[in-house]
Amino acid sequence: GESVGLHLPTLSVQEGDNSIINCAYSNSASDYFIWYKQESGKGPQFIIDIRSNMDKRQGQRVTVLLNKTVKHLSLQIAATQPGDSAVYFCAEIPHNTNAGKSTFGDGTTLTVKP
Amino acid sequence: DAGITQSPRHKVTETGTPVTLRCHQTENHRYMYWYRQDPGHGLRLIHYSYGVKDTDKGEVSDGYSVSRSKTEDFLLTLESATSSQTSVYFCAISEGSSRIGYTFGSGTRLTVV
Repeated sequence: GESVGLHLPTLSVQEGDNSIINCAYSNSASDYFIWYKQESGKGPQFIIDIRSNMDKRQGQRVTVLLNKTVKHLSLQIAATQPGDSAVYFCAEIPHNTNAGKSTFGDGTTLTVKP
Repeated sequence: DAGITQSPRHKVTETGTPVTLRCHQTENHRYMYWYRQDPGHGLRLIHYSYGVKDTDKGEVSDGYSVSRSKTEDFLLTLESATSSQTSVYFCAISEGSSRIGYTFGSGTRLTVV
């Protein structure tokens, strides 16, 4: 069945360093992959998405890389700031799914040390 | 989050009682979803709706029902709450094809004692 998982449940980085959060997925028939950020006590917030026919997409201080050969997705955060501390989820939207249903991974908790 | 509100934010209820959670949106989005979030399980889809009176089950729908009589409201009902339904419940909305990502509400923390 489908599964989306993150390699590490926690990640601690120094402020100013770059962060890389990884995600492995098993369903090769997915149209989109999405990264969400969830701060304590709040709902997840959309960060960036990438379509399955792309390898890389950049946003503001974030880059998502997609390697379909090994079914791996990563989120890179440049110059990590304390405000980046949160739980990060990857999600996939399988092809032909009704209503764009997403399957979420378990999340990686990013802690930024000052 | 702007455009989507959940109520109540917190609720404690007794085992066996019915509970209804409400999700209200002002975005006129077609798609609405209910997820539950538990430690070690991430976000799991309970039910979703693709229009007024059009709903379908997600992966963890047992013990839950939903209704959508208006575009803006999506209700989640626990007919007879159990301790295993203690969780944080999130509602999400989506425009569908024009934007893939969801907008989530702030969540409802439900405790069944």
